[in-house]
Amino acid sequence: DAGITQSPRHKVTETGTPVTLRCHQTENHRYMYWYRQDPGHGLRLIHYSYGVKDTDKGEVSDGYSVSRSKTEDFLLTLESATSSQTSVYFCAISAPGQGDGYTFGSGTRLTVV
Amino acid sequence: GENVEQHPSTLSVQEGDSAVIKCTYSDSASNYFPWYKQELGKRPQLIIDIRSNVGEKKDQRIAVTLNKTAKHFSLHITETQPEDSAVYFCAASSGGYQKVTFGTGTKLQVIP
Repeated sequence: DAGITQSPRHKVTETGTPVTLRCHQTENHRYMYWYRQDPGHGLRLIHYSYGVKDTDKGEVSDGYSVSRSKTEDFLLTLESATSSQTSVYFCAISAPGQGDGYTFGSGTRLTVV
Repeated sequence: GENVEQHPSTLSVQEGDSAVIKCTYSDSASNYFPWYKQELGKRPQLIIDIRSNVGEKKDQRIAVTLNKTAKHFSLHITETQPEDSAVYFCAASSGGYQKVTFGTGTKLQVIP
């Protein structure tokens, strides 16, 4: 497929629990991103990474943290899940010099109850 | 930061007619404008993009126009087909780490 996979695909969790979503790529792309998709809001950037151990915040980063210890993996952690974090989470990758277009993963549907 | 506004939020057209989706952006430094199509339950996929040094770009039935002075850009789909039914997102990027800001999406329905 696109060389980018997300896990899990679906998850239901309870309020207050920590949750980690994983994005794995086989394209060796430098840049990786986490977006959340909500009705009426489109796709909003949570965090992004421009290299191993190099990460920065996006526009909706509160309550989220990320880590990138290897080029191929970018983890998104909800430190203490809240109902407002119920959403579909998409990971994306891009590579400088190969056009700026993103390749998205298949998404993770997270429900916080 | 960048702000991208997209209109309309929903659009219904008869098969064979044209569809136009319009977006505006706020950051004059933005220089890359991609469009993504998302079918129901699927991931967004890049369908066309344009850079700020180009005013128009075409790919078969789809075209994108850019007016840098007015800070707006548009997607045009001609001879629409039922398989064009999807949500379309415009986006803008100023190039820093290739971060992209998306519009809120347009749900296009093509009626057979």
